Amino acid sequence: DAKTTQPPSMDCAEGRAANLPCNHSTISGNEYVYWYRQIHSQGPQYIIHGLKNNETNEMASLIITEDRKSSTLILPHATLRDTAVYYCIEQVWGAQKLVFGQGTRLTINP
Amino acid sequence: NAGVTQTPKFQVLKTGQSMTLQCAQDMNHEYMSWYRQDPGMGLRLIHYSVGAGITDQGEVPNGYNVSRSTTEDFPLRLLSAAPSQTSVYFCASSDQAGFNYGYTFGSGTRLTVV
Repeated sequence: DAKTTQPPSMDCAEGRAANLPCNHSTISGNEYVYWYRQIHSQGPQYIIHGLKNNETNEMASLIITEDRKSSTLILPHATLRDTAVYYCIEQVWGAQKLVFGQGTRLTINP
Repeated sequence: NAGVTQTPKFQVLKTGQSMTLQCAQDMNHEYMSWYRQDPGMGLRLIHYSVGAGITDQGEVPNGYNVSRSTTEDFPLRLLSAAPSQTSVYFCASSDQAGFNYGYTFGSGTRLTVV
């Protein structure tokens, strides 16, 4: 079973920042937080990952709390194309498999 | 660079028929895996492989077989299709050394068993 908890759905206005929360209260010291998204019925797409420091790439930012029990994925300027299901996953480095939960269905509204 | 290629994209089977879903990657990735996704659900792991000749079961392996004779290919075989196997199937690959980029997924095979 997935070890992360995410809200089932969220809405955000186009052009605004979308902040997607994830709880991972039982995360181990060697587990990273990975984020993927699935647009429509396509295959999931990797977004970003982090261990304990905040991370940023061209797609998003990841904020991890100091106790590592939760994190927030930030899409700084959401567009309609960011409408998707977003998955937060705990995994050790080099994990041989991923355990998906239900994710958060993010809808970007014009 | 094609990434992960799955064929076919759509398939309809009759109960009891067998078939093979194909998955190929051209990134020289060691890790490959198969997932199924039922409507409104997250992905569940069927089988995975960490290299040629090495496979292992995931969360929902019953009714499926895999083999990994080459690094590039990881076919999934349905032995005797059942309506409960109606789902979307995704193949994924990753290179542990390049794990900064996560797993790369194919576009999926949509299977209906009638």
